[in-house]
Amino acid sequence: NAGVMQNPRHLVRRRGQEARLRCSPMKGHSHVYWYRQLPEEGLKFMVYLQKENIIDESGMPKERFSAEFPKEGPSILRIQQVVRGDSAAYFCASSPPVKNIQYFGAGTRLSVL
Amino acid sequence: TQLLEQSPQFLSIQEGENLTVYCNSSSVFSSLQWYRQEPGEGPVLLVTVVTGGEVKKLKRLTFQFGDARKDSSLHITAAQPGDTGLYLCAGGPMGAQKLVFGQGTRLTINP
Repeated sequence: NAGVMQNPRHLVRRRGQEARLRCSPMKGHSHVYWYRQLPEEGLKFMVYLQKENIIDESGMPKERFSAEFPKEGPSILRIQQVVRGDSAAYFCASSPPVKNIQYFGAGTRLSVL
Repeated sequence: TQLLEQSPQFLSIQEGENLTVYCNSSSVFSSLQWYRQEPGEGPVLLVTVVTGGEVKKLKRLTFQFGDARKDSSLHITAAQPGDTGLYLCAGGPMGAQKLVFGQGTRLTINP
């Protein structure tokens, strides 16, 4: 069974560029979550999605950040016009329907130069 | 805002000793999960507890969920160097499908 797959594992962007992070959930999981881990800090919830729907985006910054989980394909976290403060590890997790038991991917480490 | 306070933040002990890590909150959680995270990797799920007072054992690790579902503990018996890592507790808030994480406990077991 493949786990939660995230790519790329490492992403380097210059200030002002766009970052696109991809996440494929575990087989049979229809719920996807994105978390951010800043250096020396804990994981912070960003957004919770089901197929074609954003359920809870209470942790998403109001500007430049967006997420989607289309009917086909992986979930995408998009960060427009990146700034140095966006440098962090971004983790995706997935869970089966009904149960809030989340399994995490290996993360994407974003570095903004 | 629901918070989870983990203690201690850092713990360094000798191989063979026992230890307990605590995870406390003033809020009630529908479930509590413990993860272990290695450098450069994502959190790996160790256990989920959902019932107040629940105790689960995983080899030398014992997890307990408080009766009021506001706190949890992780106890390791006869710690080994392979137990070294970052341990995270995460709570599922009532009525919400997300996780609130503690700051983590960085555990070092010295041979």
